[in-house]
Amino acid sequence: ETAVFQTPNYHVTQVGNEVSFNCKQTLGHDTMYWYKQDSKKLLKIMFSYNNKQLIVNETVPRRFSPQSSDKAHLNLRIKSVEPEDSAVYLCASSLYTEVFFGKGTRLTVV
Amino acid sequence: GEQVEQRPPHLSVREGDSAVIICTYTDPNSYYFFWYKQEPGAGLQLLMKVFSSTEINEGQGFTVLLNKKDKQLSLNLTAAHPGDSAVYFCAVTYQGGRALIFGTGTTVSVSP
Repeated sequence: ETAVFQTPNYHVTQVGNEVSFNCKQTLGHDTMYWYKQDSKKLLKIMFSYNNKQLIVNETVPRRFSPQSSDKAHLNLRIKSVEPEDSAVYLCASSLYTEVFFGKGTRLTVV
Repeated sequence: GEQVEQRPPHLSVREGDSAVIICTYTDPNSYYFFWYKQEPGAGLQLLMKVFSSTEINEGQGFTVLLNKKDKQLSLNLTAAHPGDSAVYFCAVTYQGGRALIFGTGTTVSVSP
């Protein structure tokens, strides 16, 4: 049963637009993440965040930024999308070692 | 940093056969190990977590073996059925660390 909720499921946008994806977890976890899954299914960590620390994967372009209002929410903003941003973005959360994932948001940049 | 190689990238088996996926990692400080299953259009479902060296864990229809000496983690789907068709990922993390480092994935197709 899903306890990490992502919206929207799909989003199509044009190059240069700004997009924002939402993520909410109802598990009471203290850490949330964003992962990118590319067309070859490869999964890479983008950000991990708890109320004390944001850890950014150094390979993530600066047009990406996480936004959190509280420990149950971690949104992802992309300031000016580019074609290579087309991917599935997976939100996740954890309390100790087990990481639970949402169903993902598929972004298509045209 | 840690690198996780996963083999094979694709696996086609008949219903009732077994299927083995192997991950090899590089960092001896890797501490927690996971297997995830991803069905089409779905997120990642956690199958199992292991952290003891040379541990065999049995789940529903699968067995996981961790061999820290050889830095290998394996998933054996025993008596595969069509519902096992999915992409499987191994993942590792460090003690005290949270962010997972994933293997490259294995697409498993089980035919009747």
